[in-house]
Amino acid sequence: AQSVSQHNHHVILSEAASLELGCNYSYGGTVNLFWYVQYPGQHLQLLLKYFSGDPLVKGIKGFEAEFIKSKFSFNLRKPSVQWSDTAEYFCAVNGVNQAGTALIFGKGTTLSVSS
Amino acid sequence: NAGVTQTPKFQVLKTGQSMTLQCAQDMNHNSMYWYRQDPGMGLRLIYYSASEGTTDKGEVPNGYNVSRLNKREFSLRLESAAPSQTSVYFCASSDSRRQTDTQYFGPGTRLTVL
Repeated sequence: AQSVSQHNHHVILSEAASLELGCNYSYGGTVNLFWYVQYPGQHLQLLLKYFSGDPLVKGIKGFEAEFIKSKFSFNLRKPSVQWSDTAEYFCAVNGVNQAGTALIFGKGTTLSVSS
Repeated sequence: NAGVTQTPKFQVLKTGQSMTLQCAQDMNHNSMYWYRQDPGMGLRLIYYSASEGTTDKGEVPNGYNVSRLNKREFSLRLESAAPSQTSVYFCASSDSRRQTDTQYFGPGTRLTVL
């Protein structure tokens, strides 16, 4: 079955700490991978995406993610978090060359950053 | 360029009432989607429309119907609302003809069913 698993439900960090959020997926075939962020009271915004090529992708606001095909993983990282990074983060996957294929989301990780 | 818009932003219904959630996009995308978001569950697909004139069930379609009115608009209807349908509903769209297909989300509708 197709699924996305996010390892941490709630992460609490102090400002300037480093962040790594885990994401593993189960999906037959070639995939596109995404991280979305949802700030409190707002809608989902795309943080970064991987389609092909360099497995290390950089997104907005200093976030990056690494696709490790052998581990079916797409972990999100940031070297130094800020209070404004407090939000919920979702990892998602869909299939390449499948027209209209919807995203499969993980259950989300809530990040709380204290100043 | 408004992107994906949804109406209403908030709605309270009584059990058994019906309503339609509206969604429109101005990005000339061919595919549109309806998701619901519940605490601890992430987003789950209700229905999607790969192109104008087609609709398909997603993971949690029971209790919902959809209409792809034209290329821009995709509505979600609750015929007889139930408390289990209390949720935040997000519409999304994408150009799925492209291999680098990215979905863009609307602001959401927060629905409470009493």
